[in-house]
Amino acid sequence: SYVLTQPPSVSVAPGKTARISCGGDDIGAYSVHWYQQRPGQAPVLVVNDDSDRPSGIPERFSGTNSGNTATLTISRVEAGDEADYYCQVWDSSSDHPVLFGGGTKLTVL
Amino acid sequence: QITLKESGPTLVKPTQTLTLTCTFSGFSLTTYQMGVAWIRQPPGKALEWLALIYWNDGKRYRPSLKSRLTITKDSSESHVVLTMTNMAPVDSGTYFCAQVRGRWAQFASWGQGITVAVSS
Repeated sequence: SYVLTQPPSVSVAPGKTARISCGGDDIGAYSVHWYQQRPGQAPVLVVNDDSDRPSGIPERFSGTNSGNTATLTISRVEAGDEADYYCQVWDSSSDHPVLFGGGTKLTVL
Repeated sequence: QITLKESGPTLVKPTQTLTLTCTFSGFSLTTYQMGVAWIRQPPGKALEWLALIYWNDGKRYRPSLKSRLTITKDSSESHVVLTMTNMAPVDSGTYFCAQVRGRWAQFASWGQGITVAVSS
C-alpha cells in the first residue's frame, strides 16, 4: 500500500528556515495536507491542498508538492513552532484512503 | 465557530466494546463533501486514521480494523459515534474526532481528544 515517509526529526535555529519533507511515490499527483501537533494538544491544520493556508495560520508556513516529495517550509522559525508535523493524503481509489506520514519532530535550538 | 468534543469511557477492559461519541457544532453533516473522521494516537506514536463518515452516509474504514469498527451519525446529525469491538491493550491511546472538508479530505478542525486505556 502507499507509504508516506517523513524524517523523524529536524532541527533549526530561531529565525532560520525549516523544511520538512514528505516522500511518496508520485506524491505530486495527490493533494497534501500538513498538521502541527504541539505536545499534549490536538493537531492543527497548517497547510491544505499542497500550499493553501487556513485562516489564522501565519504566512511563515508554506507548502510545495512535486514529483516524489512534498515539503512544508517554516520561515523565521520561532520557539513556539517546536512541535510534531504530519503530512496526510487522500486516495479515494484505495481501500486505505487516508494516509498519514510518520511525523517529524521539529526542534528549535 | 467550529467545535468538536469526544466523549466516552477512559478505561475499558480487554475484549470489551468501546463506544465514543463526537459532538460537534458550527457545521452541518448535510453539507456536500462534509464529513467526520476518527483518528487515534498511541502514546508516543504517530496519528492513525480509523474511520470516516460523509454527508451522504458514505463510510470508509481502516482496512486492518474494518471488522471491529462501526461509524454512524445520528438523526440530528450533530453526533457521530464510533464503536470498536474486542478492545486490547494495544488499542490504548488518544482518540480524536475531526471535521473532514473538501474534495481531498482535509481534517480542518479537531476535537481535544479523549485518552482511553485498555486494562483489566
